[in-house]
Formats: sequence, structure tokens, C-alpha cells
Amino acid sequence: DAKTTQPNSMESNEEEPVHLPCNHSTISGTDYIHWYRQLPSQGPEYVIHGLTSNVNNRMASLAIAEDRKSSTLILHRATLRDAAVYYCILRGGLYGGATNKLIFGTGTLLAVQP
Amino acid sequence: EAGVTQFPSHSVIEKGQTVTLRCDPISGHDNLYWYRRVMGKEIKFLLHFVKESKQDESGMPNNRFLAERTGGTYSTLKVQPAELEDSGVYFCASSQDWATSETGELFFGEGSRLTVL
Repeated sequence: DAKTTQPNSMESNEEEPVHLPCNHSTISGTDYIHWYRQLPSQGPEYVIHGLTSNVNNRMASLAIAEDRKSSTLILHRATLRDAAVYYCILRGGLYGGATNKLIFGTGTLLAVQP
Repeated sequence: EAGVTQFPSHSVIEKGQTVTLRCDPISGHDNLYWYRRVMGKEIKFLLHFVKESKQDESGMPNNRFLAERTGGTYSTLKVQPAELEDSGVYFCASSQDWATSETGELFFGEGSRLTVL
């Protein structure tokens, strides 16, 4: 399974933007880039995913480098509720793997200061 | 609509005993996954069901763990006999078939915390 590299931790102030980086230099052409987060005492939850183009949804934006070897999750205005561990995960495409399972790394622990 | 539900939320047992964890996926989700996080470690994949069939059980640690999904609805994960190193949080997730889902996202339950003394 392709691996990702993320900083262990980051800090942000409330209502400021947060850029969470992820390196995935061994990404294959059919791998999608998924982001999940885990709030304290909860199960992981989906945030966003993309393949080549930048993506926006109600939770965040995903900026993908042109060579796809890195990506950045952008939280436009961090809130206290965004304090969580954020996971960047490569997932085989529709036809890239029978299980399409998620392989979690260590993630980035985001602390949000009031 | 109800999300993924797991039971029990917390179980405390002694080494050598048996525990059965249950997961009810979101209705209509054919894919069901089990994961676990042991203390200080990453969330690890255990296995994946498609309906009632085991699609991938490569993450099951040993034969003390038995997962079933009779009828393709809810699933159980039995640990027998439990060992100290089995302590952790067991997560269940479900998803639609990615070919028919816009995001293919996995919906996780809140987890079942297992403490083996």
C-alpha cells in the first residue's frame, strides 16, 4: 500500500486558516487522495477526497500538486471543534483494489487555540 | 437515518474470557469493515465484508479473532480467549459500493472499547 507522510502535530488559532500538508511521493495513477479526521472519543469521519483537481466541499478544500506527489487540506476558518487527528490516505481507485480499504497512518494532531 | 452503531461501547473482561462485539451498519451498505486501535498505535485494518462474504481478512491478528456477518446485515467480532494485548478500541465502518457512491466514504461507528485485565 502506498504511504503518506504528515507532520505529527500542528497548531492553529481559532478563525484562522489551516493548511495541513501531506506527502505521497509513491502515489500511483489510480490512487485517490482521501482525508479523514478523528475527533476525540469518536470514530474517524470523512472530510474530502480528490484525484487530480482541487476539490471544495462544505468542510474543507483539497489542493493537489500538479505531479500529485503532495496535497494540502485547507480548513478555511478553524474552530475549536476542528481539533482532531487528520489522516491523509491513499485509496485505490474503483478498479485498483478489491477491498478499497483505508490504511491509516499516524496522522496530524491539530490543536486549535481560542 | 441511523449511523453505524456498535455495542457495547465499553467492555471490561479478564484475560482468557470471551467477548463479542457487534456492529450494525447503515442500512443498505454492502461493505462492512472492522478496524482497531491499540494503545499508542495507529488504527489498523482487520477485515472487510462484502455482504456476508469476507473480502479481505488480511488484518486479522490470529485465530483468536472470529468475525461473522450472517445474512449480510449486522456483524460480530468475537475474541476468544482474550489476551492483554487485545485491549483497545474496535471500530466498525460501512460504505456503499464505491461504483455507486459519490464519495465511497466509510462511515465509522464510535467504537467499542475493550479492556482486558
